[in-house]
Amino acid sequence: DAKTTQPPSMDCAEGRAANLPCNHSTISGNEYVYWYRQIHSQGPQYIIHGLKNNETNEMASLIITEDRKSSTLILPHATLRDTAVYYCIGTDGNKLVFGAGTILRVKS
Amino acid sequence: GAVVSQHPSWVICKSGTSVKIECRSLDFQATTMFWYRQFPKQSLMLMATSNEGSKATYEQGVEKDKFLINHASLTLSTLTVTSAHPEDSSFYICSASNRADTEAFFGQGTRLTVV
Repeated sequence: DAKTTQPPSMDCAEGRAANLPCNHSTISGNEYVYWYRQIHSQGPQYIIHGLKNNETNEMASLIITEDRKSSTLILPHATLRDTAVYYCIGTDGNKLVFGAGTILRVKS
Repeated sequence: GAVVSQHPSWVICKSGTSVKIECRSLDFQATTMFWYRQFPKQSLMLMATSNEGSKATYEQGVEKDKFLINHASLTLSTLTVTSAHPEDSSFYICSASNRADTEAFFGQGTRLTVV
């Protein structure tokens, strides 16, 4: 699995876009970039994943650089309920190895 | 998304006893499930890969005789913490997917407290 690096914490104003960066410079060609989040005392929640192209779903957008060495998760209009730990994971299967993640605090 | 359910959500047991945690995929078949453990203020740590019909694969440092995993059907995996001690108190979480190339879904977790 690719080693990923994320900032330990970020703040975002409610209603604004939250942009969470992730570096994965060692990612291999067949490894996807997955994003999950964990709200306190719950199991992780799947957000989005991608290989090379940018992806968008009802929760978020994923922007992957052309060289695939980094990506950004975008929550377009953050709400207080988006406060959570966000994990970026590079893998070619379902075996997910979690790093420390980014604590996102959405503030009113 | 697919639904993965864990039972119980929380359990308190006495030191020296065994506790079984169930992980079910409710609307899909999962040939592989994963078990994680999470201590307070820490990230999830992968414990083992549970394979339907075969032995589980344990991560380095995880005692297979202490954490017994059984994956008897395509929708159920169980984790038994044997001879539990207070240091086994943790949040145990499972995940499952119906295909290796799609996202995995997580259960809600089981909070184990050993007293």
